[in-house]
Amino acid sequence: AQKITQTQPGMFVQEKEAVTLDCTYDTSDPSYGLFWYKQPSSGEMIFLIYQGSYDQQNATEGRYSLNFQKARKSANLVISASQLGDSAMYFCAMRDSGYALNFGKGTSLLVTP
Amino acid sequence: GAVVSQHPSWVICKSGTSVKIECRSLDFQATTMFWYRQFPKQSLMLMATSNEGSKATYEQGVEKDKFLINHASLTLSTLTVTSAHPEDSSFYICSSRAGGRQETQYFGPGTRLLVL
Repeated sequence: AQKITQTQPGMFVQEKEAVTLDCTYDTSDPSYGLFWYKQPSSGEMIFLIYQGSYDQQNATEGRYSLNFQKARKSANLVISASQLGDSAMYFCAMRDSGYALNFGKGTSLLVTP
Repeated sequence: GAVVSQHPSWVICKSGTSVKIECRSLDFQATTMFWYRQFPKQSLMLMATSNEGSKATYEQGVEKDKFLINHASLTLSTLTVTSAHPEDSSFYICSSRAGGRQETQYFGPGTRLLVL
């Protein structure tokens, strides 16, 4: 069975600073995919970044980067140059063999001026 | 980018009525759609996997007779909450996947259901 763990219920960061959101996972599948989604108060799920288990390089998408440490089974999201609009819930997720997503409990990020 | 729509965005209904939620993939043909449920301040939980032209696969603990899923075309999946009760009040959100080696799933905006 797969398990996604996000240990930070809430995080604060000052505008323009970088922040790291933690995610660890557990799976017995050799092939897997890891995702990060942002959920603002409106409820929509916004795709941020994807990392495949066989990808050699860490994924990056604009201000988002994924610090993938396979041996440690961690896939932390790094947001650089935080903006006020980054305040939201952030979910780490892993896809299963049927491509459904298993989500962590989420981290609430608050960006302060 | 890909767009997935959901309708309605909000629904309030009386206990015992049925509610249908539509999920449409607007930019691509979705071989697979997923239905999730999210209670307040909790994470998303997978309810079922909907494959076009075949029966949906439900997660353990999800009643297939209560949550009817139909995936009649490559762009439309519907979730019907039958005989809704107050405990069914939740945020229902669908996602679509194009299939093949496409990894990214795109989510609809969600539907907030309140059963009185």
